[in-house]
Amino acid sequence: QKEVEQDPGPLSVPEGAIVSLNCTYSNSAFQYFMWYRQYSRKGPELLMYTYSSGNKEDGRFTAQVDKSSKYISLFIRDSQPSDSATYLCAFIIQGAQKLVFGQGTRLTINP
Amino acid sequence: DSGVTQTPKHLITATGQRVTLRCSPRSGDLSVYWYQQSLDQGLQFLIQYYNGEERAKGNILERFSAQQFPDLHSELNLSSLELGDSALYFCASSVGDSYNEQFFGPGTRLTVL
Repeated sequence: QKEVEQDPGPLSVPEGAIVSLNCTYSNSAFQYFMWYRQYSRKGPELLMYTYSSGNKEDGRFTAQVDKSSKYISLFIRDSQPSDSATYLCAFIIQGAQKLVFGQGTRLTINP
Repeated sequence: DSGVTQTPKHLITATGQRVTLRCSPRSGDLSVYWYQQSLDQGLQFLIQYYNGEERAKGNILERFSAQQFPDLHSELNLSSLELGDSALYFCASSVGDSYNEQFFGPGTRLTVL
């Protein structure tokens, strides 16, 4: 079983739609939960970061973590064409250094 | 712009050759991380250096090696290259040696023919 499962998509939605991106994980030692955004031909950039179960909001973005189900989500409200990118979930074990990434979901927002 | 620089942007070489990828971290960051991104494996952690010392190792092949110099820039050396080594190689940097936000560079695209 893979440590992290993420639907690679591609996912294509109209502008203004609510987008839901999801990852499941199997490693109970994961303590920090992140979402990275990667534009084409660029490096990943940190979008959201949390370490507890529940919701964390930042503008149009909401990160949700359910540790009991080992499931994390990223919601994008009022999606814009500029949100078109690959979104990667990432995890880290407390005290460790390496990030463990999902495969990434390619998202396209159509004007 | 993350402040992390990587050179070269693109590299095309032949099987069996050796290449060196270079990374300069953000000013003030002591940790450098190397990641490999391929279509089938996704983004995989290779190795981390903190202030010149190796701190963590991931799925790095024996044909690959890295080092961090006193000025904190880092180099990733890839030798006896195989077709399967074709990938994007990213460097990231962070302030400390335990988890802090990692800032990624633009990557080096390696093509092995």
